Amino acid sequence: EPEVTQTPSHQVTQMGQEVILRCVPISNHLYFYWYRQILGQKVEFLVSFYNNEISEKSEIFDDQFSVERPDGSNFTLKIRSTKLEDSAMYFCASGPGLAVGDTQYFGPGTRLTVL
Amino acid sequence: SQKIEQNSEALNIQEGKTATLTCNYTNYSPAYLQWYRQDPGRGPVFLLLIRENEKEKRKERLKVTFDTTLKQSLFHITASQPADSATYLCALSGGYNKLIFGAGTRLAVHP
Repeated sequence: EPEVTQTPSHQVTQMGQEVILRCVPISNHLYFYWYRQILGQKVEFLVSFYNNEISEKSEIFDDQFSVERPDGSNFTLKIRSTKLEDSAMYFCASGPGLAVGDTQYFGPGTRLTVL
Repeated sequence: SQKIEQNSEALNIQEGKTATLTCNYTNYSPAYLQWYRQDPGRGPVFLLLIRENEKEKRKERLKVTFDTTLKQSLFHITASQPADSATYLCALSGGYNKLIFGAGTRLAVHP
């Protein structure tokens, strides 16, 4: 069964450094998402991406964040200058996008630790 | 502001019993509602989706109801097993298919 993959599984970085989190969505999916989950808290929406542009973003997704689909398979989340409060699990998700309410398939996550 | 509440942080039940989890929401009219399972350190896994015009949905031992008047969804696991132990997340639709998640209910099924 096809699945969303994410790399790395764990990223440790120093405050102020740039990080790029990578995702390979399911191949025939059209919608792509990033969510994050701070330890012990809710899963929070960051951004949705369709047709090579951002469809919607949350208040969390400020100028320090950017997303890109550099080729036909990868979907990346970049944090330009990491802060301590960016430490969280980051989940990529994709969906077929054929209708409102289509299921989103989540990857296993990247645990980001900012020191 | 929009609010999603799941009934309790943790629910402990005996194997073989039915687990019932509750999701309530306010200031919101979602087109659909989804339930996900999350195991520690893992991503959410989709279980069931129910649309605003549906009252009930079933899949094997799982059943979801959706009452848009009460603004509530109930999630049932019948004949529960220890392998059902996990955190269950309620998620509502937002714009452009974004999901708004509840905090989750941690279910522990004891042999």
